[in-house]
Amino acid sequence: AQKITQTQPGMFVQEKEAVTLDCTYDTSDPSYGLFWYKQPSSGEMIFLIYQGSYDQQNATEGRYSLNFQKARKSANLVISASQLGDSAMYFCAMRENSGNTPLVFGKGTRLSVIA
Amino acid sequence: GAGVSQSPRYKVAKRGQDVALRCDPISGHVSLFWYQQALGQGPEFLTYFQNEAQLDKSGLPSDRFFAERPEGSVSTLKIQRTQQEDSAVYLCASSPLGGLNYNEQFFGPGTRLTVL
Repeated sequence: AQKITQTQPGMFVQEKEAVTLDCTYDTSDPSYGLFWYKQPSSGEMIFLIYQGSYDQQNATEGRYSLNFQKARKSANLVISASQLGDSAMYFCAMRENSGNTPLVFGKGTRLSVIA
Repeated sequence: GAGVSQSPRYKVAKRGQDVALRCDPISGHVSLFWYQQALGQGPEFLTYFQNEAQLDKSGLPSDRFFAERPEGSVSTLKIQRTQQEDSAVYLCASSPLGGLNYNEQFFGPGTRLTVL
């Protein structure tokens, strides 16, 4: 069963607008972490933001915020004030804390920012 | 440089050839991870080292894949008798502490392997 689902293969957003990238996850582990990574055309994965399953507040890092809805098992990434440099692939990932498991990634969403 | 480096950046191999991919983690980082990223997919875990010990190799797709980190720093991923389905980007990541439960992994730029 797929543990991370990203249903948007591609998204377009106008420069300076906000955009939401969707991510749903599946786990029975009560303790887990959720991550978002950006992968530009250069190939390396750049860590953006982290949300722990027990965190009371939604994570924020500059223009990035994570809309964490635990009951719905969703962890959407919100990028505010989009910039041309935000054009890239974005991956949602999860790590289950029990059993020392590795990161599991979704298939990604390609974001294109339009001037 | 301060980041994770990988070499070569691009590798073209004929089917049946052996290849070796190198990862130089950030100095002092305890943990090292290898991932395989097929075209249009997210990265998939291959194997994990804590210092020189390979603690998890559950993601290696076949016994043709072998990884080592003999001195707890540089790591090599070796693929024997390459097949076309091995074509992918191979990503290396390191993190400063031990354990898969540590949050932040720093990724290298990857090696794009094409098997003809």
